[in-house]
Amino acid sequence: DSGVTQTPKHLITATGQRVTLRCSPRSGDLSVYWYQQSLDQGLQFLIQYYNGEERAKGNILERFSAQQFPDLHSELNLSSLELGDSALYFCASSNRDSGYNEQFFGPGTRLTVL
Amino acid sequence: KNQVEQSPQSLIILEGKNCTLQCNYTVSPFSNLRWYKQDTGRGPVSLTIMTFSENTKSNGRYTATLDADTKQSSLHITASQLSDSASYICVVRLNYDMRFGAGTRLTVKP
Repeated sequence: DSGVTQTPKHLITATGQRVTLRCSPRSGDLSVYWYQQSLDQGLQFLIQYYNGEERAKGNILERFSAQQFPDLHSELNLSSLELGDSALYFCASSNRDSGYNEQFFGPGTRLTVL
Repeated sequence: KNQVEQSPQSLIILEGKNCTLQCNYTVSPFSNLRWYKQDTGRGPVSLTIMTFSENTKSNGRYTATLDADTKQSSLHITASQLSDSASYICVVRLNYDMRFGAGTRLTVKP
């Protein structure tokens, strides 16, 4: 158990819908990262927040957005969902902003878009 | 073309044997290179992390090497165990971005 929690574990929805994925980092960790893992694309970095502020952006679509709240939990919002958005979404946390710090991954949310 | 290429794509070995996984990258300069182990359906777990100036890093039976001149890294697993069956992912970190390899799927058979 990494100490990072993600909810829900599974999510099934329809095309065009909007969903929110939630992540609680390990106690004391200020950085939160979001990743998407699909069968054909592997792991992709989406976005990073540090202490409430956006720090880095990867391959995140405009239909996706995220935020980190004052209590440090983070939410990833996915809208106008398409079949291709079906994937595992992982959240990871680390205690600092430095790229050298180890990231601890949560168990993931499996999103299925029908 | 992916900036981080891993080989082989999959590998089957017998329990107790050693194996080496390869990672070739084109991104440069980079901040650090990590190897992760990912069990099916679970989040990746960090095995090793190296900066561009480090040549080798060990974590138990896992040893990673890095050759910044040839832009190659390898992960050597010694005396494999059934629990080593997983995907192994190489990740190169730039300043605030990351490039992931597609992974090597390792199966250890009794």
